[in-house]
Amino acid sequence: EAQVTQNPRYLITVTGKKLTVTCSQNMNHEYMSWYRQDPGLGLRQIYYSMNVEVTDKGDVPEGYKVSRKEKRNFPLILESPSPNQTSLYFCASSLGTRSEKLFFGSGTQLSVL
Amino acid sequence: GESVGLHLPTLSVQEGDNSIINCAYSNSASDYFIWYKQESGKGPQFIIDIRSNMDKRQGQRVTVLLNKTVKHLSLQIAATQPGDSAVYFCAEIKAAGNKLTFGGGTRVLVKP
Repeated sequence: EAQVTQNPRYLITVTGKKLTVTCSQNMNHEYMSWYRQDPGLGLRQIYYSMNVEVTDKGDVPEGYKVSRKEKRNFPLILESPSPNQTSLYFCASSLGTRSEKLFFGSGTQLSVL
Repeated sequence: GESVGLHLPTLSVQEGDNSIINCAYSNSASDYFIWYKQESGKGPQFIIDIRSNMDKRQGQRVTVLLNKTVKHLSLQIAATQPGDSAVYFCAEIKAAGNKLTFGGGTRVLVKP
């Protein structure tokens, strides 16, 4: 089944404790992206990648890192999480190098205490 | 979870009626528009897209209309069903770019 898989689904952590949210797609997609979704603010892009070893900042990249060592994986790294990073996170991918027809994962609900 | 959005505009529609969801986009240079559906506890799901050289595109039970003069996009759902209850987002991509910008979303509630 074609899908974007994020893990974990839920995560509670404390301020400053490094964490990684994994994202993997099995559709051989070129483009991958991370979004955060907050009430009243909608979906905002954190980082995106148009190909392996190519990543770029989205609208809200501060406090986040990403890597794209393999085509299928695009982990989101929070080196020192803070409470304002409490949010619902989505990974997405698309076939081409544009963010058209995105396939989204099921989301990761992160709480930073 | 219920983080999709508080204070979203809400459209209540009777089961079987047609729904129309509206979206005003911001950039006249946008050349590609998409509608996504997000059900509670799930990620957004692609519904239909349209390019700026078109005014209308139809899918299965859905139609997207694009009015470039007033920068307005709408999604029409025919014979709305309970499974259509969700939050609907429009999104746009600027021409020659790759920045996807989402609208704020509209919640659709289908009454039996």
